Amino acid sequence: DIQMTQSPSTLSASVGDSVTITCRASQSISRWLAWYQQKPGKAPKLLIYDASSLERGVPSRFSGSGSGTEFTLTMSSLQPDDFATYYCQQYNSYWTFGQGTKVEIK
Amino acid sequence: EVQVLESGGGLVQPGGSLRLSCAASGFTFSRYAMSWVRQAPGKGLEWVSAITASDDIRSYADSVKGRFTISRDNSKNTLYLQMNSLRAEDTALYYCAKMQPTSGRDYVDVWGKGTTVTVSS
Repeated sequence: DIQMTQSPSTLSASVGDSVTITCRASQSISRWLAWYQQKPGKAPKLLIYDASSLERGVPSRFSGSGSGTEFTLTMSSLQPDDFATYYCQQYNSYWTFGQGTKVEIK
Repeated sequence: EVQVLESGGGLVQPGGSLRLSCAASGFTFSRYAMSWVRQAPGKGLEWVSAITASDDIRSYADSVKGRFTISRDNSKNTLYLQMNSLRAEDTALYYCAKMQPTSGRDYVDVWGKGTTVTVSS
């Protein structure tokens, strides 16, 4: 089974900051990685697929990169609406989520 | 608008059964793989099960294999999850999810609002 490890688990930031979340796979998953945003009491929302492709309608301040085993989600100029929990998910072999990264207001 | 809407959650005793349904609309249901994902209270997301568009392949997480059965009725645009031998650790919000194909793989692109399953005596 492929394990996904996100870091950090919690991130404190201010509006306007640029932040990066890292996701590591226990084995190579090529570019088969997605990123989701989840707000309290809401369903997750797709942000990025195929490691770096921006889902339609998602602001361009979100970007993804990486391949193989290491991936990053970067949010440039953090907005109030961006404070949420973020999950990575691999879909190379079945599906596995990372444990989540909570982005909170500093 | 592409939508999936779950139903069928509730309170059930340990060892009991429950069947979840997911009604799809706004897309050609029979062309897409579908999945169930759950989230225990205060916890992260856990993939549970997936089914291909033509129902030729069904996949399960080890935690539910042998107890849960995924199925679909393409004539009714509906996805199901039959859950048997339920345990306290199955307590969660269960999301129905539409999958989007990409180069032979599938990722979740649309989520429902979820239906709550509580396993307790």
